[in-house]
Amino acid sequence: GAVVSQHPSRVICKSGTSVKIECRSLDFQATTMFWYRQFPKKSLMLMATSNEGSKATYEQGVEKDKFLINHASLTLSTLTVTSAHPEDSSFYICSAAPGQGSAYEQYFGPGTRLTVT
Amino acid sequence: AQKITQTQPGMFVQEKEAVTLDCTYDTSDQSYGLFWYKQPSSGEMIFLIYQGSYDEQNATEGRYSLNFQKARKSANLVISASQLGDSAMYFCAMRERQTGANNLFFGTGTRLTVIP
Repeated sequence: GAVVSQHPSRVICKSGTSVKIECRSLDFQATTMFWYRQFPKKSLMLMATSNEGSKATYEQGVEKDKFLINHASLTLSTLTVTSAHPEDSSFYICSAAPGQGSAYEQYFGPGTRLTVT
Repeated sequence: AQKITQTQPGMFVQEKEAVTLDCTYDTSDQSYGLFWYKQPSSGEMIFLIYQGSYDEQNATEGRYSLNFQKARKSANLVISASQLGDSAMYFCAMRERQTGANNLFFGTGTRLTVIP
């Protein structure tokens, strides 16, 4: 199956700093990428959808100024958590699809565990 | 309303036995897809099986089968001959065609523990 990587796999940062998480599709061009957040023992919640070359579409309740998403190329999307606080500590998972729309399969990355101290 | 409901927060099964994980869904769309994912403690989401709303046959993938009952809006996952490595969180998810997007709606998950 298609491979999606995330970097870093685990990051610890201090409160008030920003942290960037990368999501790469390794063997296909990802027209669409998704960012999910998962709290401990909870389900995945979609944060935003990004299409290459255009602004991300954020889900209701997700602060776009806090969670900056850039999808500058067909193989890379980044999520930057700005001015991180302890409540931002979570597991962040990206997924990528080779096209827009429901006909295209999503392939998940391995996730990034963020801990804000 | 919840689009995906998983009512079993935790399940136990004896090794080599079969287990059924429940999933019900809610949609007004005629065209949709149902997915099951496995999430081990390492965190990655592993795709297991897919059922399209127009598929007449229940999907099967090795030891995994999906018991699709459209009228009841249920899509239960059956794991046969459980193995210790099956211990993980299992998520049911749905994708609706009417949204025009590729959004996946996830249930709250079921933690499966396989007992030796």
